[in-house]
Amino acid sequence: DAGVTQSPTHLIKTRGQQVTLRCSPKSGHDTVSWYQQALGQGPQFIFQYYEEEERQRGNFPDRFSGHQFPNYSSELNVNALLLGDSALYLCASSLGGSRGETQYFGPGTRLLVL
Amino acid sequence: QKEVEQDPGPLSVPEGAIVSLNCTYSNSAFQYFMWYRQYSRKGPELLMYTYSSGNKEDGRFTAQVDKSSKYISLFIRDSQPSDSATYLCAMTGRRALTFGSGTRLQVQP
Repeated sequence: DAGVTQSPTHLIKTRGQQVTLRCSPKSGHDTVSWYQQALGQGPQFIFQYYEEEERQRGNFPDRFSGHQFPNYSSELNVNALLLGDSALYLCASSLGGSRGETQYFGPGTRLLVL
Repeated sequence: QKEVEQDPGPLSVPEGAIVSLNCTYSNSAFQYFMWYRQYSRKGPELLMYTYSSGNKEDGRFTAQVDKSSKYISLFIRDSQPSDSATYLCAMTGRRALTFGSGTRLQVQP
């Protein structure tokens, strides 16, 4: 049973560039959430996608956008990169529309902005 | 003030010790409580999931939730060097998880 997968594993970009990160959810899951984890901190919620729509959003600027495809996979896009965007970006998948559903995390994509 | 407070540690214990990890929170809307383990440079791995107040046990791990005090705990019995990791508490009232900053645990052989 494949777990949550993310690509790429590492990425280096320069300020002002744009980046796209990808996530495939755990088999059978239909909901994808994205989190940003700065070094030494807990993950911070960016947004959640369900039925190809953004269902909930955290306190992140519009430079952060996403998409969910019909096969439930998802992309996170970040425009106009800032040095402060350097972090581990985590994707979590879950099942269904109920509150408090269990979220399973992927290994993350480590982004470094120079 | 952060919604979820967690002592960052690091916490160093000898092998076989009982470990107690704790979080406090301020948002009364939180109903679902989780503990994740994160090894260096890896994604968080779900350890325990609890709904509302009470205790839950799974092998060497016990999770406790006290909603009246807004306090949750994770106990690890007979700790092993392989338990060395960062432990993150997480909670939610709806869908987005709110995490503590994590406690680094080192179990010395």
